Amino acid sequence: GAVVSQHPSRVICKSGTSVKIECRSLDFQATTMFWYRQFPKQSLMLMATSNEGSKATYEQGVEKDKFLINHASLTLSTLTVTSAHPEDSSFYICSAKEGHTEAFFGQGTRLTVV
Amino acid sequence: RKEVEQDPGPFNVPEGATVAFNCTYSNSASQSFFWYRQDCRKEPKLLMSVYSSGNEDGRFTAQLNRASQYISLLIRDSKLSDSATYLCVVNIDGAGSYQLTFGKGTKLSVIP
Repeated sequence: GAVVSQHPSRVICKSGTSVKIECRSLDFQATTMFWYRQFPKQSLMLMATSNEGSKATYEQGVEKDKFLINHASLTLSTLTVTSAHPEDSSFYICSAKEGHTEAFFGQGTRLTVV
Repeated sequence: RKEVEQDPGPFNVPEGATVAFNCTYSNSASQSFFWYRQDCRKEPKLLMSVYSSGNEDGRFTAQLNRASQYISLLIRDSKLSDSATYLCVVNIDGAGSYQLTFGKGTKLSVIP
């Protein structure tokens, strides 16, 4: 099946710093990418949807100035958590799809803010 | 009411047992339905799509009841490797777009 690579898999950062997470589609052109967040024992919650070359659409309650999403090419989307705080510690997962195909998930990034 | 609601679990079953998971969804306009499997600290992986006619893949059988807005997953002859969290997932929009809404998941532990 299609491969989506997410990097880094784990990151620990200090409070107040920014962290960038990359999501790459390795063998297909991802016209749409999704970013999810999952807190312990909770379901995945969609944060935003991005289409290549256009601004991301954020879900209600997700601060677009705090979670910066860039989808500049058909194979790469990035999520930057700006001025991270301990409450931002979570498991962040991207998924990508081409056209009307199913979405494939990255391996996830476990962010810990200390 | 939550958009996608699942059995709370956890389910602890012996090897070889048959186990069933249930899921209900609130939006009657939902178009696509899936079961995903998520291992601890890993990304979710598609287990199977769910169709109105019901579908089977080896030991796994999925059923959809649109009238009751109910989805089920049956696992027969449980293996230790089936231990995971099973996520009921619904495509809520259904208007040519693809936004997945996840249930909270049901944890399954298969015991030797």
